[in-house]
Amino acid sequence: GEDVEQSLFLSVREGDSSVINCTYTDSSSTYLYWYKQEPGAGLQLLTYIFSNMDMKQDQRLTVLLNKKDKHLSLRIADTQTGDSAIYFCAERSDYKLSFGAGTTVTVRA
Amino acid sequence: ETGVTQTPRHLVMGMTNKKSLKCEQHLGHNAMYWYKQSAKKPLELMFVYSLEERVENNSVPSRFSPECPNSSHLFLHLHTLQPEDSALYLCASSQDSFNQPQHFGDGTRLSIL
Repeated sequence: GEDVEQSLFLSVREGDSSVINCTYTDSSSTYLYWYKQEPGAGLQLLTYIFSNMDMKQDQRLTVLLNKKDKHLSLRIADTQTGDSAIYFCAERSDYKLSFGAGTTVTVRA
Repeated sequence: ETGVTQTPRHLVMGMTNKKSLKCEQHLGHNAMYWYKQSAKKPLELMFVYSLEERVENNSVPSRFSPECPNSSHLFLHLHTLQPEDSALYLCASSQDSFNQPQHFGDGTRLSIL
């Protein structure tokens, strides 16, 4: 199966860290991705991780992968108002990307 | 991101009209994709083209007809659409169809009257 699940909403205070979680089912996934979608825009690639890695850091973003539990998370440090958006987790198997339904992150002052 | 450009950004059409969505990528990629994004549903992959050949048709109704004349351009021809086809249609491209990440355009918001 190719189900990807995420929680639908996350509210975080400006300056705090955000953690968005995702679970997937396809153990043959080669890459896992995080995309960001702002209102009226398409999906912006934030970061991705190869399935043989367990962590990747890119400036304020940290991706953790627990392949045994098929769990992926995205941590955003020092969350800013510009981080308010919908975040999509996606897994790749061959040429297919399977997306979760997206987590709406709201940053409050 | 301006690497993948979609036109028009918005389209309103009746059920009997024929229209086309256009996607152009300036990234030198070899694979292109059409996705449908409906409210409260995960993105649905519709079509995949690799080196201008269709490699995936994900059970899409025949009222949607893709065309890939070259590796930089992708079209989605629409005819006799239904109200449930109203959605955001996203185009994406990647260097290859297996390993490299997909880069998305800003989409065409389609409304069927």
